[in-house]
Amino acid sequence: SQTIHQWPATLVQPVGSPLSLECTVEGTSNPNLYWYRQAAGRGLQLLFYSVGIGQISSEVPQNLSASRPQDRQFILSSKKLLLSDSGFYLCAWREEGYHGYTFGSGTRLTVV
Amino acid sequence: QKEVEQNSGPLSVPEGAIASLNCTYSDRGSQSFFWYRQYSGKSPELIMSIYSNGDKEDGRFTAQLNKASQYVSLLIRDSQPSDSATYLCAVKPSPGGSYIPTFGRGTSLIVHP
Repeated sequence: SQTIHQWPATLVQPVGSPLSLECTVEGTSNPNLYWYRQAAGRGLQLLFYSVGIGQISSEVPQNLSASRPQDRQFILSSKKLLLSDSGFYLCAWREEGYHGYTFGSGTRLTVV
Repeated sequence: QKEVEQNSGPLSVPEGAIASLNCTYSDRGSQSFFWYRQYSGKSPELIMSIYSNGDKEDGRFTAQLNKASQYVSLLIRDSQPSDSATYLCAVKPSPGGSYIPTFGRGTSLIVHP
């Protein structure tokens, strides 16, 4: 069966520090992968999505970037965090031909 | 701008009652509709999908779709305190576009004993 792993679960980082969040999917090939952010009291904001290795689409201009170095690995990065980057970061995958998402367990990031 | 609207709530119902959650959307050509449940501090979990007008039942959950009126509902029968969560409505845009759904901000449901 397919599973999605996301880590770390929580992270407290100072302003200006770098960030790297990782997401991996098991049990499927060539998944469509997504990074979302959910700020307190707000809805889900799509940040990036990828339909294949090295293929990244950005939905919102910001100081974050994403990479997909392997078929089932999706990484969210930042060189310098801002206070406004705080939030709940969610990785999700979608099987080709199916429109529902499976979300990872999420990373709660607090920038101080 | 494609929009999905939900009443933020909270919607409070007694245990055993029917909880009715509603969602309206602006893209008339939308064809895929989803309900996700999100417990506090946890990630969303897909609980229902519906693609055709009418009702779709799965256990205590029933999704209702009315494309003419552009709304989709989720009914939870025999509500339990464990159903207390935020329910997110998601709508996939018209065919030919991206597969990226638009999410509503969610409705908070509280089921009290």
